[in-house]
Amino acid sequence: GAVVSQHPSRVICKSGTSVKIECRSLDFQATTMFWYRQFPKKSLMLMATSNEGSKATYEQGVEKDKFLINHASLTLSTLTVTSAHPEDSSFYICSARDKERKQFFGPGTRLTVL
Amino acid sequence: AQSVTQLGSHVSVSEGALVLLRCNYSSSVPPYLFWYVQYPNQGLQLLLKYTTGATLVKGINGFEAEFKKSETSFHLTKPSAHMSDAAEYFCAVIPSNFGNEKLTFGTGTRLTIIP
Repeated sequence: GAVVSQHPSRVICKSGTSVKIECRSLDFQATTMFWYRQFPKKSLMLMATSNEGSKATYEQGVEKDKFLINHASLTLSTLTVTSAHPEDSSFYICSARDKERKQFFGPGTRLTVL
Repeated sequence: AQSVTQLGSHVSVSEGALVLLRCNYSSSVPPYLFWYVQYPNQGLQLLLKYTTGATLVKGINGFEAEFKKSETSFHLTKPSAHMSDAAEYFCAVIPSNFGNEKLTFGTGTRLTIIP
């Protein structure tokens, strides 16, 4: 089946720094990728929809200037958490949609902001 | 718009017993329905899905789910639980016309297996 990778799997950073998370579709092209955030013991919250070559569409309440999304190619989308604060600590999961509109999820990235 | 309700945030069953995880949905158009499993600190893995056709769908690891339109339900079952089934399970829906391309997830059910 289709594989989606995320890098890094875990990251710890200091408050005020920026962190970049990569999401790659390894064996298919993904015109659309989705970024989710999962709080402890909670469901997945869709943050934004990323379309290759265009600006991301953010969900209500998600700060686009804080969570920068770039979808520069058909196999790569990045999420940059700018000026991270402890409340940004979370599990971030991406998914990539293939041409048949099937979504495949990455393994997630655990972000801890000290 | 669509939504998903998973009854029971925690379910515990004995090893070898029946597993039943409940999912009810609402959707303004016919839905596509999914069950995902998440192991600790991992992403989501698709267990099974219903799109069209047979309403009883079989997935990986011995799980199956039945789409019941009259009850707006898509409950997940497994006849005999294994210790390895302990995980978080999410039900999700997307409209079949893809008018809204976003998967809507339920709040999840944590399954614990008692030895």
